[in-house]
Amino acid sequence: EVQLVESGGGLAKPGESLRLSCAASGVIFNTAWMNWVRQAPGKGLEWVGRIKSQKAGGAIDYAAPVKGRFIISRDDSTGTLFLQMNNLKTEDTAVYFCTTRINWGQGTLVTVSA
Amino acid sequence: SYELTQPPSVSVSPGQTAVITCSGDAMSKQYTHWYQQKPGQAPVLVMFEDSERPPGISERFSGSSSGTAVTLTITGVQAEDEADYYCQSVDFSGSSLVFGGGTKLTV
Repeated sequence: EVQLVESGGGLAKPGESLRLSCAASGVIFNTAWMNWVRQAPGKGLEWVGRIKSQKAGGAIDYAAPVKGRFIISRDDSTGTLFLQMNNLKTEDTAVYFCTTRINWGQGTLVTVSA
Repeated sequence: SYELTQPPSVSVSPGQTAVITCSGDAMSKQYTHWYQQKPGQAPVLVMFEDSERPPGISERFSGSSSGTAVTLTITGVQAEDEADYYCQSVDFSGSSLVFGGGTKLTV
């Protein structure tokens, strides 16, 4: 059974940083293209970014609202996906999901407020 | 930026057929996937590559595409199908994923 478990969410002030993690099990992680998707309270799904597998070149793409502030990385040796969020803004408040697009974690809540 | 357009809401009676559309300029060249999301839960993939149903998804769910629009059809709608449905595709370059705004299905 595939499991994706996010962690690292919490409360941050504008301008601060947070680092999210996503631990994967039951999936061949090193071949998976991994995505971060977020959902602001009461809003729809918004793609944050994607990292391809090393075999596919490892390219990383970001959505425009987070480009230059967020950094996606992965550790294939531990099956972990990361999202480093810098210079947080109030509009970054959302539940953040990691997903292979087939499998999704339950999400971790990030709240950015002064 | 690339956008996918869905109707905000669709309402049907139990046993009827629900049709949810999603349109986008790149759809004739890129696959579209559909997710079902119930309150407080993570999304669940219910259709991939326009018309392929994942294992475990009811045969009442089907998908089709035509030009720059794709359609998710749910036949014999049941109360348990009440949820938000999101289409997802990629832009022309394939480098950016995009979600539609979501459709609230009310049964």
